[in-house]
Amino acid sequence: AQSVAQPEDQVNVAEGNPLTVKCTYSVSGNPYLFWYVQYPNRGLQFLLKYITGDNLVKGSYGFEAEFNKSQTSFHLKKPSALVSDSALYFCAVRDGAGTYKYIFGTGTRLKVLA
Amino acid sequence: DGGITQSPKYLFRKEGQNVTLSCEQNLNHDAMYWYRQDPGQGLRLIYYSQIVNDFQKGDIAEGYSVSREKKESFPLTVTSAQKNPTAFYLCASSISGNSNQPQHFGDGTRLSIL
Repeated sequence: AQSVAQPEDQVNVAEGNPLTVKCTYSVSGNPYLFWYVQYPNRGLQFLLKYITGDNLVKGSYGFEAEFNKSQTSFHLKKPSALVSDSALYFCAVRDGAGTYKYIFGTGTRLKVLA
Repeated sequence: DGGITQSPKYLFRKEGQNVTLSCEQNLNHDAMYWYRQDPGQGLRLIYYSQIVNDFQKGDIAEGYSVSREKKESFPLTVTSAQKNPTAFYLCASSISGNSNQPQHFGDGTRLSIL
């Protein structure tokens, strides 16, 4: 069965410092991996995806993510955090073998401190 | 601008009442989804539809019903059989059911019990 784990409920980081939000996954076939961000009382906004190819994926707002097949991880990163990055972040996976469902992690709240 | 519109933004339900949440998209997407979001639980799939006049149950379909009579519209009815309906409901769409493209989300409807 497909699953996604976000082991940290909350991550705190000082403005200007690098940030990492962790995600690990389990799928039976090749994974399609996604990161989304959610601001209060809003829907999810797409940040970036990994389908195939280069393990380092660049996305919106300066975010990037590193795909690691051996560790089944897809951690979200940013070199220098902004206060405006404070939000709820979701990792999602889809089994490339043909299922039609996206499986979401439980979310990680990122708090960037000024 | 293309996007997904959910209405109303806030909805209150009385005991024994059915309520319908609207979801409309002008992205020309084939696939549409309904999720329920509760604090700390991530997104749980209620129903999804890959094409007009067809839909499938997700992981928590009990107490909910949907229809897909038009490509643009995928309304969700929360019936009186759903005993704990208080949650944030998100509608999403994607190009097709088996695409590797990300989902697009509406801004949600927050449902509460009176």
